[in-house]
Amino acid sequence: EPEVTQTPSHQVTQMGQEVILRCVPISNHLYFYWYRQILGQKVEFLVSFYNNEISEKSEIFDDQFSVERPDGSNFTLKIRSTKLEDSAMYFCASLSPGGAAGELFFGEGSRLTVL
Amino acid sequence: GQNIDQPTEMTATEGAIVQINCTYQTSGFNGLFWYQQHAGEAPTFLSYNVLDGLEEKGRFSSFLSRSKGYSYLLLKELQMKDSASYLCAARLDSNYQLIWGAGTKLIIKP
Repeated sequence: EPEVTQTPSHQVTQMGQEVILRCVPISNHLYFYWYRQILGQKVEFLVSFYNNEISEKSEIFDDQFSVERPDGSNFTLKIRSTKLEDSAMYFCASLSPGGAAGELFFGEGSRLTVL
Repeated sequence: GQNIDQPTEMTATEGAIVQINCTYQTSGFNGLFWYQQHAGEAPTFLSYNVLDGLEEKGRFSSFLSRSKGYSYLLLKELQMKDSASYLCAARLDSNYQLIWGAGTKLIIKP
């Protein structure tokens, strides 16, 4: 069964460092998303991406965040200068073209720890 | 503003039935999702309701009332592996910007 894959599964970084989280969505999917979940808290929408551009972003997705689809398969989330409060699980998700039924496919997540 | 409410925690007995409620107030509404999330893992899709009524899928059923801003997830014949958090999420528009509830932690006892 096709799946969304994310790397790394866990990254530890120093405050102020740049981090890139990578995602490989399911190959024929067209819509891609990043969500985050701080430990013990609710899942929060960050950004949606379609047709090689951001289609929507939340208030959380400020100037320190950016997304790219550099090579047609990978979908990356970059955090330019990490802060302690960026420590969270980051989930990538994708939606199939026939996704009227609404099923988002989530990756296993990348746990980011900022020290 | 956007708001989704669901109970923080529920306890049920193996083999029994449990109903997890969710109420929402959102600007724009295009469907209601239920996801299951085991600790440290990604959410996995359970159901999606966009029309009023009950959708049944094996041991799990989900109900939606758009006029009341209300949904529930019904789990039958509970198994120990059903111990997890159950997340209610509202789709605001066609763009899948989901607004998530905080999740209901379901504890199954033998």
